[in-house]
Amino acid sequence: RKEVEQDPGPFNVPEGATVAFNCTYSNSASQSFFWYRQDCRKEPKLLMSVYSSGNEDGRFTAQLNRASQYISLLIRDSKLSDSATYLCVVNKAAGNKLTFGGGTRVLVKP
Amino acid sequence: GAVVSQHPSWVICKSGTSVKIECRSLDFQATTMFWYRQFPKQSLMLMATSNEGSKATYEQGVEKDKFLINHASLTLSTLTVTSAHPEDSSFYICSASPSGMGSSYEQYFGPGTRLTVT
Repeated sequence: RKEVEQDPGPFNVPEGATVAFNCTYSNSASQSFFWYRQDCRKEPKLLMSVYSSGNEDGRFTAQLNRASQYISLLIRDSKLSDSATYLCVVNKAAGNKLTFGGGTRVLVKP
Repeated sequence: GAVVSQHPSWVICKSGTSVKIECRSLDFQATTMFWYRQFPKQSLMLMATSNEGSKATYEQGVEKDKFLINHASLTLSTLTVTSAHPEDSSFYICSASPSGMGSSYEQYFGPGTRLTVT
């Protein structure tokens, strides 16, 4: 089983719609959680950290469920520019190492 | 914001040669830098953790004699792919974690280096 698992998609989303997807992680001792965005042939860029109480940043909402070991990302009012691969990232319990999920591809279409 | 640069951005080399990739933190000091590799349509895989002034820590399955890492200063880490083969062709990305950030685990990524071995 992979340490961090994501639905690879693609999620085809009409512009203006809402899309949500999850990520599961296997290490119950994981401490920090992030969503990164990666555009084709580019480096990952931090989208947002995920906090235990859930947090929102504009049109993006992240939730963490420690009991079930999953995090989620919801994108409201999708824009064409939201098309990208969204990487679920979890820190390993020891040190500062990050473990990346395989990514969920989102395609926003007019 | 924190900026990390990589050089070169892309390189083509012949099989059997060595290639050096530089990773620099431009506006902050980084005690720790990380090297990742990403094959097409796959996610980032951590290769090694580079610590300033000490030996790098390699992930399981990564050959330390093939992927030489040097972290000579708080702003520079280098990865040298020795005796490169076509299967080493990949997207190599570094990241840096600012020193003194306590429990923060944020990492800032360089723009990546695309290596093609012919």
